[in-house]
Amino acid sequence: DSGVTQTPKHLITATGQRVTLRCSPRSGDLSVYWYQQSLDQGLQFLIQYYNGEERAKGNILERFSAQQFPDLHSELNLSSLELGDSALYFCASSVSAGEARDTQYFGPGTRLTVL
Amino acid sequence: GQSLEQPSEVTAVEGAIVQINCTYQTSGFYGLSWYQQHDGGAPTFLSYNGLDGLEETGRFSSFLSRSDSYGYLLLQELQMKDSASYFCAVRERSNYQLIWGAGTKLIIKP
Repeated sequence: DSGVTQTPKHLITATGQRVTLRCSPRSGDLSVYWYQQSLDQGLQFLIQYYNGEERAKGNILERFSAQQFPDLHSELNLSSLELGDSALYFCASSVSAGEARDTQYFGPGTRLTVL
Repeated sequence: GQSLEQPSEVTAVEGAIVQINCTYQTSGFYGLSWYQQHDGGAPTFLSYNGLDGLEETGRFSSFLSRSDSYGYLLLQELQMKDSASYFCAVRERSNYQLIWGAGTKLIIKP
């Protein structure tokens, strides 16, 4: 158990809909990262927040947005869903902003299925 | 563009040694990390190289050579439980973006 929690574990929805994925980081961690992993694919970095502020941005679609709240939990919002958005979405957390050695601890993931 | 290249699949025998390479093209980064992911599971941290050279953690070692734009993960005394995907990753200095390799699936045969 990494200490990172994600809800829900599974989500099934239809094309065109909007969903929100939730992540609570490990106690004491200030950074939250979001990743997308499609079936048998690598990890695609989406976005990082550090202490409430956006720190780094990867290949995140405009239909997707995220935020980190004062209690440090984070939400990833996916809108106008398409079939290709079906994937495993991981949240990770770390202590610092990440310039130096900074281990990321991953949550169990949310499996999103878009029908 | 910036990228990390890894072999898609490596096969080895239980008890043997295997090396998983990671070559990169990026102008500058903070260090090279390695993560392990079992099927259906979440990635877990294995090692980090901030400086050139070898880092050893038990049966696993990782190496970085910035001059050669190359790193590797070395797994010794392979066990069946080491069957997993292994990812290398770097954080770029210019925009802090995290770049991940596509992962190497390690298949271990008895």
